[in-house]
Parts: sequence; C-alpha cells; structure tokens
Amino acid sequence: GIQVEQSPPDLILQEGANSTLRCNFSDSVNNLQWFHQNPWGQLINLFYIPSGTKQNGRLSATTVATERYSLLYISSSQTTDSGVYFCAVEDWDSSYKLIFGSGTRLLVRP
Amino acid sequence: DVKVTQSSRYLVKRTGEKVFLECVQDMDHENMFWYRQDPGLGLRLIYFSYDVKMKEKGDIPEGYSVSREKKERFSLILESASTNQTSMYLCASSFQLTEKLFFGSGTQLSVL
Repeated sequence: GIQVEQSPPDLILQEGANSTLRCNFSDSVNNLQWFHQNPWGQLINLFYIPSGTKQNGRLSATTVATERYSLLYISSSQTTDSGVYFCAVEDWDSSYKLIFGSGTRLLVRP
Repeated sequence: DVKVTQSSRYLVKRTGEKVFLECVQDMDHENMFWYRQDPGLGLRLIYFSYDVKMKEKGDIPEGYSVSREKKERFSLILESASTNQTSMYLCASSFQLTEKLFFGSGTQLSVL
C-alpha cells in the first residue's frame, strides 16, 4: 500500500517564526488533505489539496503530485498553532480510505 | 461550518460491557467514518458508511459493529468491550468519498 512520511517529526518554534512541514508519499494520489490536531484532540481539516497551491490566512499548502510531496507553510506562528499536523492521502486500492502520516508535532513557545 | 458531534468526550467502561459511541453530523453528508487513534499507530479506519444502512469494513473491524439507521447518525458498537479497545475514537463525515473529511472532537474510551 501507499506509504506516507512526514518530516520533521517534532518542531519547536518561537512565536512569530515561520516553518515548513513536509509530506512525502510513495505513489500517485488524487486526494491529499492536511489536518491540525489541537492539544484537546480535535482534528481540524486545513486543506484539501490534491495538487497546486492554496492559502488560508497564515497557512498555505502546496502539493506537487508528479514529485509525490506536499508542503504546509505556517507563517508568523502563534501559540495556538501548537499541536500535531497530519497529512493524509487516498489509497488507490480503496477510494474511501485515507492513509495518514505519523504527524509533525509542533510546539510554539511565547 | 460542518458540525460533527460525538456524544461523549470521556467514557469509562468495564470489560465485557456493550458500548455505544454515537456520532451526528448536520451537513447532510453521505459518508461517515469511525477511526481510532493510538500512540505509535496513528489513525486507523474501523468502519465507514456511504449511505443509510450501508457499511464497509475498514482496516480493523474486529470486535466492532456499526449502525446507520438515519443519514445524520452513525453509531459504533463494541459488543463486548476489552482492554485493548481503550483508545481515542474519532468520527468523521464527508459529502463525497474523495472530498474534505470533517472530524468530531473525539471520545476517549477507557476499558477497565
């Protein structure tokens, strides 16, 4: 099955810093999503981005499907950005199943 | 905004009990999902449903069943709870299978 790898596994930032999170996947995908899980466990969908670039406030994401990676950019980080960021891709074998990466744990210090 | 509501935030049950986890979505989504999340194992799909009364097994259906009698409600049932079912359970929904997935706030289940 498809493999999803996220890097870095852990990241500590000072408030106001910028960061880039990476998601590599082992096969072609037609569905890629980024999620943020806050410290209380709530998973929030940030982007549905099978290809191209999208922006939402201080966050933006780019997926280069032909090169099998996606990037999530966080600019001017805030303490509320802390949590775990997951990317998830659709498995070609079963269109209903998203394969989640192991996540990047982000801590933003004040 | 889509709202996916899970009935309990924390739940403590005894081994052998029958456990019901309820999930309701308010956006008329066709598809609903149950995942469990465990440290080191990530999120794993238990079951999903693409229509009322329709269901498909995910990666780890053993020990679980589901019920979808109404479009907005999807229930996860642990027929006889065991300690290895202690986990965070997350419900999700989407309009189409390949579209944006929305999660509930999760139920942390402890089986003693």
